[in-house]
Amino acid sequence: AQSVTQLDSQVPVFEEAPVELRCNYSSSVSVYLFWYVQYPNQGLQLLLKYLSGSTLVKGINGFEAEFNKSQTSFHLRKPSVHISDTAEYFCAVSAVKAAGNKLTFGGGTRVLVKP
Amino acid sequence: EAGVTQFPSHSVIEKGQTVTLRCDPISGHDNLYWYRRVMGKEIKFLLHFVKESKQDESGMPNNRFLAERTGGTYSTLKVQPAELEDSGVYFCASSQLAGDLGTQYFGPGTRLLVL
Repeated sequence: AQSVTQLDSQVPVFEEAPVELRCNYSSSVSVYLFWYVQYPNQGLQLLLKYLSGSTLVKGINGFEAEFNKSQTSFHLRKPSVHISDTAEYFCAVSAVKAAGNKLTFGGGTRVLVKP
Repeated sequence: EAGVTQFPSHSVIEKGQTVTLRCDPISGHDNLYWYRRVMGKEIKFLLHFVKESKQDESGMPNNRFLAERTGGTYSTLKVQPAELEDSGVYFCASSQLAGDLGTQYFGPGTRLLVL
């Protein structure tokens, strides 16, 4: 079984400032890692994913995340946020095996970008 | 290519009534998942279909919930009778059976309110 902890439930940040959203996971097997974003009144959109290879993963809208196996973390960063980045962000994992594994989500982090 | 679609977008019903949610996955995606987010909680897995077969229904809360995927295309999730604690957002996701390492694509969700 897997579990995911997002350490911050809310993160207020000023426009053009950097932001980091923290995600730690626990699993007895290897996992794939994902970040999803939910904009107001919309569904979940895939931001980026780590499957294998380079531990630094770049996603859409200028976001990137770094997989740290020893610390079981997958923190999400953006160097300069925009008002449009106001959304809720979810970290998720799935066990590595054949395609078709359920996702285990963290509790979500609400990012509020202020002008 | 059309994404995952869900119907209805919102549903308000009274306790004891029946509600049926529908999900149309991305064409060609054999994996279909249902998830739920109850207010203030994390998104939780409900069940997983591979084509028309239930692969994993370990997350279904009780026997008031019935999911079907006749013909391996769209899926329905029926709640009968609905209880207050069933309120939340129900998400559907789909993925390829092979390839893309099981990345799941989500629909916009159905917001269910049981009064």
